[in-house]
Amino acid sequence: GAVVSQHPSRVICKSGTSVKIECRSLDFQATTMFWYRQFPKQSLMLMATSNEGSKATYEQGVEKDKFLINHASLTLSTLTVTSAHPEDSSFYICSAPQGGYGYTFGSGTRLTVV
Amino acid sequence: GDSVTQMEGPVTLSEEAFLTINCTYTATGYPSLFWYVQYPGEGLQLLLKATKADDKGSNKGFEATYRKETTSFHLEKGSVQVSDSAVYFCALGYSGNTGKLIFGQGTTLQVKP
Repeated sequence: GAVVSQHPSRVICKSGTSVKIECRSLDFQATTMFWYRQFPKQSLMLMATSNEGSKATYEQGVEKDKFLINHASLTLSTLTVTSAHPEDSSFYICSAPQGGYGYTFGSGTRLTVV
Repeated sequence: GDSVTQMEGPVTLSEEAFLTINCTYTATGYPSLFWYVQYPGEGLQLLLKATKADDKGSNKGFEATYRKETTSFHLEKGSVQVSDSAVYFCALGYSGNTGKLIFGQGTTLQVKP
């Protein structure tokens, strides 16, 4: 079946540095990628929707200059957390729609900013 | 706005025990409801879904019924196995939407032999 490969699975970075998270669709073309974030004991919250070849759409309250999304090809979408701070520590996960209500999720990235 | 609330975990059961994970929702429209499962180190996978009131979704021995009167979609399984240990997410979404899903916070299930 369709697979979305997400890397890295865990990352620890220093405050003020940037971190890039990649999601690759391995055997299908993903024209759209959803990016979610989950804080401890809270829901997965949609952060933004990326579309290949166009600007991403951000949900209300998400800083587009801090969370840079690039979807330059049909198989790769990236999320870069710029100038990360401890409050950005969270679980980030991507998802590509398969049509109807089918979605393929990445395995997630645990970001810890120290 | 719409929201989904799940029971807090972790839920710890012995093998062959009966499982219930509660899920309730608030919705402004008539959403479809879903249960996703995440096994360790893997992505979320769709476990089951129901698209309208009174529908029952079922898969791999799990089932859940869309109850509009109680705004609930509780997940049940009659006899759990160690291999069912995972994180379970309840979610809602609307037909024709861009694909946005609204998730509960997830419930960790631990099944001991």
